[in-house]
Amino acid sequence: GENVEQHPSTLSVQEGDSAVIKCTYSDSASNYFPWYKQELGKGPQLIIDIRSNVGEKKDQRIAVTLNKTAKHFSLHITETQPEDSAVYFCAASWGYSTLTFGKGTMLLVSP
Amino acid sequence: NAGVTQTPKFRVLKTGQSMTLLCAQDMNHEYMYWYRQDPGMGLRLIHYSVGEGTTAKGEVPDGYNVSRLKKQNFLLGLESAAPSQTSVYFCASSWSGASYEQYFGPGTRLTVT
Repeated sequence: GENVEQHPSTLSVQEGDSAVIKCTYSDSASNYFPWYKQELGKGPQLIIDIRSNVGEKKDQRIAVTLNKTAKHFSLHITETQPEDSAVYFCAASWGYSTLTFGKGTMLLVSP
Repeated sequence: NAGVTQTPKFRVLKTGQSMTLLCAQDMNHEYMYWYRQDPGMGLRLIHYSVGEGTTAKGEVPDGYNVSRLKKQNFLLGLESAAPSQTSVYFCASSWSGASYEQYFGPGTRLTVT
């Protein structure tokens, strides 16, 4: 099956700094790569995704890049704010029906 | 729309007891999923369903059973609970397969003593 590795497991930044979270995947057939944000006590929520025919996608302060050759993708958050503090999960599609998630990154943004 | 709801929110079981977790969605989604979340382990897929009347095993299916008798509901059962099943359980639904957004419920925190 698919294996997704996510780094780092924790990330502390100062408000206004940028944050980068990286993921690698094993199955070259994977073609969809979403990122989910989980706030304390809530279920994960999709924040951005990218498909294999695109190298980069941006939505305001967040962006995702994909390198299919190297089988890795990254989440970039610019101008971080305290409300960005949460756990972030990357995922990769496996087959048609399911996602495989990384183990998560706890992002802490200090004022 | 309520989205995805889960019942109950919290539960404590003794080893060997059984229980059923209920997931309901009002978005007419075809696909539904059950995950467990443990510290440092991310989200691991237990079982999923691609439509009413269908179920399939995920990454960690042992000790769990599921049923999807109605399109809007997906039930997760524990026949004989074990301490290793202490976890937070999340249900999710999506319009179609893996390449579509999954909408998650608020979770059920289960403790097995």
